[in-house]
Amino acid sequence: GEDVEQSLFLSVREGDSSVINCTYTDSSSTYLYWYKQEPGAGLQLLTYIFSNMDMKQDQRLTVLLNKKDKHLSLRIADTQTGDSAIYFCAERMDSSYKLIFGSGTRLLVRP
Amino acid sequence: KAGVTQTPRYLIKTRGQQVTLSCSPISGHRSVSWYQQTPGQGLQFLFEYFSETQRNKGNFPGRFSGRQFSNSRSEMNVSTLELGDSALYLCASTQAGNTGELFFGEGSRLTVL
Repeated sequence: GEDVEQSLFLSVREGDSSVINCTYTDSSSTYLYWYKQEPGAGLQLLTYIFSNMDMKQDQRLTVLLNKKDKHLSLRIADTQTGDSAIYFCAERMDSSYKLIFGSGTRLLVRP
Repeated sequence: KAGVTQTPRYLIKTRGQQVTLSCSPISGHRSVSWYQQTPGQGLQFLFEYFSETQRNKGNFPGRFSGRQFSNSRSEMNVSTLELGDSALYLCASTQAGNTGELFFGEGSRLTVL
């Protein structure tokens, strides 16, 4: 079945690293995504990883994919107050452009 | 390069009315998909269009419909509005092929009274 799970809340101190975790169930996923949503705004694409990759790094962001455990994580280095937002992971199936989203993780960065 | 543009950004309707939302994809993008975001159900897939054809549809009643024009712009329509249709409606666009990148607009926030 299709299901993506995330923890609801994460609080970190400014300057620390944040790690947001996600698990998915469909092994036929082609791409996995991380989006950021600030209050009153749409979804901002942060990064994505193809399912045959294990890791992708993009500036302060590192994505790790464990296909065996169907586990995806997003690490934000040197977390800033501007990183406070809701982070969604999503999986995309086969050749479709349909995304299945997790419920989102609210990240709070304390000064 | 302009992003995904959705109009209107905010609108208020009453039960029983119908509403049309518009989405202009990023130039060169031919696939447009729509999502509904509510506090209770989260982000749910509505439908996806490519070259004016609906390729995929989510689990929503027939009151929800959409279409795509030859210039890739898309509209979605909700008829006989219910209170539960109050939501943020998000549109996403992507190029054809296996590029991976899928960009969202700012959304249309619909309130049904």
